[in-house]
Amino acid sequence: DAGITQSPRHKVTETGTPVTLRCHQTENHRYMYWYRQDPGHGLRLIHYSYGVKDTDKGEVSDGYSVSRSKTEDFLLTLESATSSQTSVYFCAIRTGPDSPLHFGNGTRLTVT
Amino acid sequence: KQEVTQIPAALSVPEGENLVLNCSFTDSAIYNLQWFRQDPGKGLTSLLLIQSSQREQTSGRLNASLDKSSGRSTLYIAASQPGDSATYLCAVYRGAQKLVFGQGTRLTINP
Repeated sequence: DAGITQSPRHKVTETGTPVTLRCHQTENHRYMYWYRQDPGHGLRLIHYSYGVKDTDKGEVSDGYSVSRSKTEDFLLTLESATSSQTSVYFCAIRTGPDSPLHFGNGTRLTVT
Repeated sequence: KQEVTQIPAALSVPEGENLVLNCSFTDSAIYNLQWFRQDPGKGLTSLLLIQSSQREQTSGRLNASLDKSSGRSTLYIAASQPGDSATYLCAVYRGAQKLVFGQGTRLTINP
């Protein structure tokens, strides 16, 4: 357990509704990441943060926004959920650029 | 564009065997490389991180090697056990922040 809590663990929502996923860490790590995992695509980076209020886009950022107002929390928001955003979302953290990446247990999101 | 390939996609071996999992990447200018395991319905567990200046890393029964010039990394598992059954993923760092993951090798160890 790398001190990462993702909530909720499971969520079903309807197309067009906003959804926020939360990642909470107890490790005081500087870097935090959001990935999605899909069959046939593997893991892909959505957004990442290298400090409070410092965020950047990953390779599949369209339709997602993030916020980090505290070191321990990194929020992922789907402004208007679509069926293509049905996926398993993972949060990850690490101390610095040469340290290993550690993952949370994921949030399974279904958009109907 | 960096591509990461893991072959085979699935592997089944009897308990006690030593085995090697392969990871190949197309761009040798990598930053670091990390091996993970993923159990069904769970997140990824970090196994080993090899920095670009290193050739190998060891942890218990696991040994990972890195050959940047040939674009290959291997994960060696000694004396395999049923608890080693999982999907193993390698990930290559493109720069300090962005990882490119392979599709994984699903390993089954038969008692």
